[in-house]
Amino acid sequence: EAGVTQFPSHSVIEKGQTVTLRCDPISGHDNLYWYRRVMGKEIKFLLHFVKESKQDESGMPNNRFLAERTGGTYSTLKVQPAELEDSGVYFCASAGRGNEQYFGPGTRLTVT
Amino acid sequence: AQSVSQHNHHVILSEAASLELGCNYSYGGTVNLFWYVQYPGQHLQLLLKYFSGDPLVKGIKGFEAEFIKSKFSFNLRKPSVQWSDTAEYFCAVISSSSHYNQGGKLIFGQGTELSVKP
Repeated sequence: EAGVTQFPSHSVIEKGQTVTLRCDPISGHDNLYWYRRVMGKEIKFLLHFVKESKQDESGMPNNRFLAERTGGTYSTLKVQPAELEDSGVYFCASAGRGNEQYFGPGTRLTVT
Repeated sequence: AQSVSQHNHHVILSEAASLELGCNYSYGGTVNLFWYVQYPGQHLQLLLKYFSGDPLVKGIKGFEAEFIKSKFSFNLRKPSVQWSDTAEYFCAVISSSSHYNQGGKLIFGQGTELSVKP
């Protein structure tokens, strides 16, 4: 089966610009997660979708971040406007029934 | 709040040396425990997991981990490392009280970078 895919693999934008990251989960996985790793620190949870509904968005840093999962398939994470501290690697993961999450390759975001 | 602590940030070993990476978590309830690995240029992969049963779990590539509930620990071990084990290793925990089909967030440790010298 195809794994979790993310696009783009790398994005470089200027402070104040907008960036949209995309995640395609494993087909049939209802659970979709976004995580972020900033500057070599620990990987931190951002939010969790079950199908198209936000189950937990307690990790979203502020209202400049907007996640959507229309139709319960792929998800997008938009950062608008981007700030320097948003730089990092954004991971997406998906899971079926149970607690085993499968990760995508990540999107490296650099805000200059 | 739940947290995970990995004792070593960077470990350097020679091939054939034994490996033990420490992981402790803080959570009062029942947990599921994971070790993930990220090889250079690759994505995070599950190395092994503990949900219940035998506290000594075996994973891929000769890795194993032991869950010691009284110590809130889940240390990763390998008797003899290879150069190809060079990677970053992450311990993670999830509350197993999450609804079965609705999962829950992983809480990660800081990661341990392992460098194996040939």
